[in-house]
Amino acid sequence: EAGVTQSPTHLIKTRGQQATLRCSPISGHTSVYWYQQALGLGLQFLLWYDEGEERNRGNFPPRFSGRQFPNYSSELNVNALELEDSALYLCASSIAPSWTGSSYEQYFGPGTRLTVT
Amino acid sequence: QQQVKQSPQSLIVQKGGISIINCAYENTAFDYFPWYQQFPGKGPALLIAIRPDVSEKKEGRFTISFNKSAKQFSLHIMDSQPGDSATYFCAASMVGGSEKLVFGKGTKLTVNP
Repeated sequence: EAGVTQSPTHLIKTRGQQATLRCSPISGHTSVYWYQQALGLGLQFLLWYDEGEERNRGNFPPRFSGRQFPNYSSELNVNALELEDSALYLCASSIAPSWTGSSYEQYFGPGTRLTVT
Repeated sequence: QQQVKQSPQSLIVQKGGISIINCAYENTAFDYFPWYQQFPGKGPALLIAIRPDVSEKKEGRFTISFNKSAKQFSLHIMDSQPGDSATYFCAASMVGGSEKLVFGKGTKLTVNP
């Protein structure tokens, strides 16, 4: 069974530009989560999508946004890039929201390393 | 209230020894506590997880101990191996709630041969 996949592996952007990161969840998983892993700040929750809807959002500015497509893949967009946005962006998926009674383990992809210069 | 505090920041253990990593939380609404293992350049991999209805869970060489009254949980790695050298993260979340994982800052484990 294929795991969570993310693309691109690395992304280099200039301050002020926009970045688009992509994620494909494990087959059969409907929930997709985005986390930021910045040096010194640890892993921080960004966004949660399920069935095409944004279900929860972390403490990040609105220039961080995303969407989930009908095939459950997801896209994270970061507008007006700032130097401090440089980080590893991790996508995770789970079978379904835990309130459905299904398994709630989150499985992570390898991440996209975003560098803002 | 949303924080998970993890210690130590780094840990060096000899091969065959026991590695112990501790985490503490404040929010009593947390009811799911996973541990993740991350190798350099890789995403975190789910290692083992526990719910508050049990005090201990063991999977192979990895054991989670959970103390609900103290709001603490720990990971024990028995017979530590050089291949266990990685960064370990504890996390917490509310099942049926916000679904987000709140992570500790991580522990860099080095197992010397």
